Amino acid sequence: DADVTQTPRNRITKTGKRIMLECSQTKGHDRMYWYRQDPGLGLRLIYYSFDVKDINKGEISDGYSVSRQAQAKFSLSLESAIPNQTALYFCATSDPLAGGYNEQFFGPGTRLTVL
Amino acid sequence: QKEVEQDPGPLSVPEGAIVSLNCTYSNSAFQYFMWYRQYSRKGPELLMYTYSSGNKEDGRFTAQVDKSSKYISLFIRDSQPSDSATYLCAMKDRGSTLGRLYFGRGTQLTVWP
Repeated sequence: DADVTQTPRNRITKTGKRIMLECSQTKGHDRMYWYRQDPGLGLRLIYYSFDVKDINKGEISDGYSVSRQAQAKFSLSLESAIPNQTALYFCATSDPLAGGYNEQFFGPGTRLTVL
Repeated sequence: QKEVEQDPGPLSVPEGAIVSLNCTYSNSAFQYFMWYRQYSRKGPELLMYTYSSGNKEDGRFTAQVDKSSKYISLFIRDSQPSDSATYLCAMKDRGSTLGRLYFGRGTQLTVWP
């Protein structure tokens, strides 16, 4: 079984709809991240969480919100989706005690299209 | 200017070629340098990492860091079609308790038989 899972894997929605992307992990890691990936722009950090009580904004948090329901679950919401939020979204986890390079383990991604 | 710059390519080479992938950066506080590999329709996975300057070799892969030039490289020897993927460089500063990684845009590599 995959250590980091994301649901749904693909989603097409309309402008103005509320969307939730979910991430679950079985690695036991405290740190979790949400990124979006756009062609030519690479990975950009949306939000990150170091434990259930700690949520931090990344470089592009406007238009997004998150919820850390448990150590293993981290959800990303788009309150009112817009077309420029069409992208590939990745969840990742890391263990702060594993090494200074902070290896991150990524899920398979969610491809979101906003029409 | 982004903190990490990487030419997105695409790069197309024949099997057996030596591949050179590069990134430049502006933040002199970066001490950890990593390369992630991302296959189509998959999430990135850590391929190699180095700390501070120097070289690190792992099979057909060599990672180099030149901190004086703020330049890192990944070399792939005897490239194989299975190496076809997007390669992302990533960096982190030693003092950061936040552990945030800064990624390059990724270089798309195709190795044809």
